[in-house]
Amino acid sequence: AQSVAQPEDQVNVAEGNPLTVKCTYSVSGNPYLFWYVQYPNRGLQFLLKYITGDNLVKGSYGFEAEFNKSQTSFHLKKPSALVSDSALYFCAVRPFPGNTPLVFGKGTRLSVIA
Amino acid sequence: NAGVTQTPKFRVLKTGQSMTLLCAQDMNHEYMYWYRQDPGMGLRLIHYSVGEGTTAKGEVPDGYNVSRLKKQNFLLGLESAAPSQTSVYFCASTGTSGGAYYNEQFFGPGTRLTVL
Repeated sequence: AQSVAQPEDQVNVAEGNPLTVKCTYSVSGNPYLFWYVQYPNRGLQFLLKYITGDNLVKGSYGFEAEFNKSQTSFHLKKPSALVSDSALYFCAVRPFPGNTPLVFGKGTRLSVIA
Repeated sequence: NAGVTQTPKFRVLKTGQSMTLLCAQDMNHEYMYWYRQDPGMGLRLIHYSVGEGTTAKGEVPDGYNVSRLKKQNFLLGLESAAPSQTSVYFCASTGTSGGAYYNEQFFGPGTRLTVL
């Protein structure tokens, strides 16, 4: 079965420090990978995606993610965290091939402390 | 563009009551989805549609029905609400330009439903 795991329910980081939110996936074939962010009482907003090509993907708000096929990971990173980055982050995968809906991880809550 | 909108934003039902959640998108997207979000569970797919007049079951379809009579609208119905259906419901859509499997899903703001 296709799945995504976010091993950390909560990540705490000091403002100005680098942040990493982890994601690993399990799919057959090549995956299409996505990151979303959810602010309180809001819908999910798209941050970035990996389809093919360069393993380092840059997205919105200064976020980037690194695709690692050998480790089946797609970790979200940012060089310098802001308090406003505090939110719930979801990793998602769409198995290849197919016009299938995204499969989401359970989410990681990021708290950036001033 | 309004993007994806959902009606209503909040609703409280009693056990056994019925209701319909409306999702509308103005992006001419082919694909539409209904998810529910529960604490610690992430987003779970209820039903989805790959085009007008077509629907398919997702991971947690029991107790829900859907209809896609118009391309821009996707309705989620609860025929006899149960407390286990207390959740936040999100609608999403995806376009097929360039290939639907490449494209991100756009989400609505959500409907918070409480069943007493």
